[in-house]
Amino acid sequence: TQLLEQSPQFLSIQEGENLTVYCNSSSVFSSLQWYRQEPGEGPVLLVTVVTGGEVKKLKRLTFQFGDARKDSSLHITAAQPGDTGLYLCAGPYNQGGKLIFGQGTELSVKP
Amino acid sequence: GAVVSQHPSWVICKSGTSVKIECRSLDFQATTMFWYRQFPKQSLMLMATSNEGSKATYEQGVEKDKFLINHASLTLSTLTVTSAHPEDSSFYICSAPAHFYTDTQYFGPGTRLTVL
Repeated sequence: TQLLEQSPQFLSIQEGENLTVYCNSSSVFSSLQWYRQEPGEGPVLLVTVVTGGEVKKLKRLTFQFGDARKDSSLHITAAQPGDTGLYLCAGPYNQGGKLIFGQGTELSVKP
Repeated sequence: GAVVSQHPSWVICKSGTSVKIECRSLDFQATTMFWYRQFPKQSLMLMATSNEGSKATYEQGVEKDKFLINHASLTLSTLTVTSAHPEDSSFYICSAPAHFYTDTQYFGPGTRLTVL
């Protein structure tokens, strides 16, 4: 069974600090995705990483896919209160477009 | 970009009643849609895959007779929670794969179900 282990599950930091969220698996994934979800809303796709070793940047967010395509990380530089939310990593499993999600990281950025 | 809508956004019902939740793809066709359940402060758990023109496939542990799924058209899937009980209270989210890259999914805004 493919599993995605996400850590940390909770993170509370001050505005301006940096942080990294990890998403690890013992299985190889063809791609991994990162979503951000706010309370009472559906997840919104931030990025999809496909190639081993790939690094993608989205303003202050940097996403990396491990060389072996078993892990990914999300790094936020100079976090802002607007970054507060639930961050989820997800990857496809089996056929037909199913996604498996990590446990999520609840991020709180205090002003 | 592609948009997925859900209706209603929230619903409160009495124990024992049935509730129907709609999921629509607004500007694209989706032969497959997915239904997830999410408890507070937790991640999404896949419940079932909705297939247009055929029966839904359910994940292990999900009661198919309790969570009825109908994929009526290429843009509409419905989830009916039958004989709802308080433990069915949750946030239900649907998604549909993007047209060009099926690993990417577009998620609906979710439906908050509260069973009294």
